[in-house]
Amino acid sequence: QKEVEQNSGPLSVPEGAIASLNCTYSDRGSQSFFWYRQYSGKSPELIMFIYSNGDKEDGRFTAQLNKASQYVSLLIRDSQPSDSATYLCAVIRYGNNRLAFGKGNQVVVIP
Amino acid sequence: NAGVTQTPKFQVLKTGQSMTLQCAQDMNHNSMYWYRQDPGMGLRLIYYSASEGTTDKGEVPNGYNVSRLNKREFSLRLESAAPSQTSVYFCASSDESSYNSPLHFGNGTRLTVT
Repeated sequence: QKEVEQNSGPLSVPEGAIASLNCTYSDRGSQSFFWYRQYSGKSPELIMFIYSNGDKEDGRFTAQLNKASQYVSLLIRDSQPSDSATYLCAVIRYGNNRLAFGKGNQVVVIP
Repeated sequence: NAGVTQTPKFQVLKTGQSMTLQCAQDMNHNSMYWYRQDPGMGLRLIYYSASEGTTDKGEVPNGYNVSRLNKREFSLRLESAAPSQTSVYFCASSDESSYNSPLHFGNGTRLTVT
């Protein structure tokens, strides 16, 4: 079992709609969870992190964490063409010094 | 404030050649990392350094060596390049004072081994 799994294929959403991305993880000791955005040909950049169960909102982005079910999700509200990118989920166990990444999900926002 | 600086941006090597990828950060971070990114494989950790003077293997260390020269610099060396090492390499750093510390990435090095 992969440590971090993002299984969905490319996601196409119309402009203004909600994009929903899911990520599951295998290590129950994982304590911090990150979402990175990566534009084609560029380096990843952090958009959200969450470490407590529940929702965390930042502008049009909402991260949701459910440690009992071992999943973390990212919602992008009012999707814009500039949101078209690959979104990487990452998790870390405290004291591990090693962030484990999923393979990423490509989001395409259609004007 | 430059953040994380990687050199070179592009490199083409022939099989068997060696090279060193350079990375420097100016954020006074303790931890530094080298990742490779391949299509469909996501980011995979090659080596990391939790502090000056220490290095540890990551998920895919074979064929690589690293040096944490000082707090700012962390280099990655390919002693004998192989086509399987064709990839995009990212250096990153983080402040490990908090486990919520995000990674700050460099702009990447696109390496092709022929």
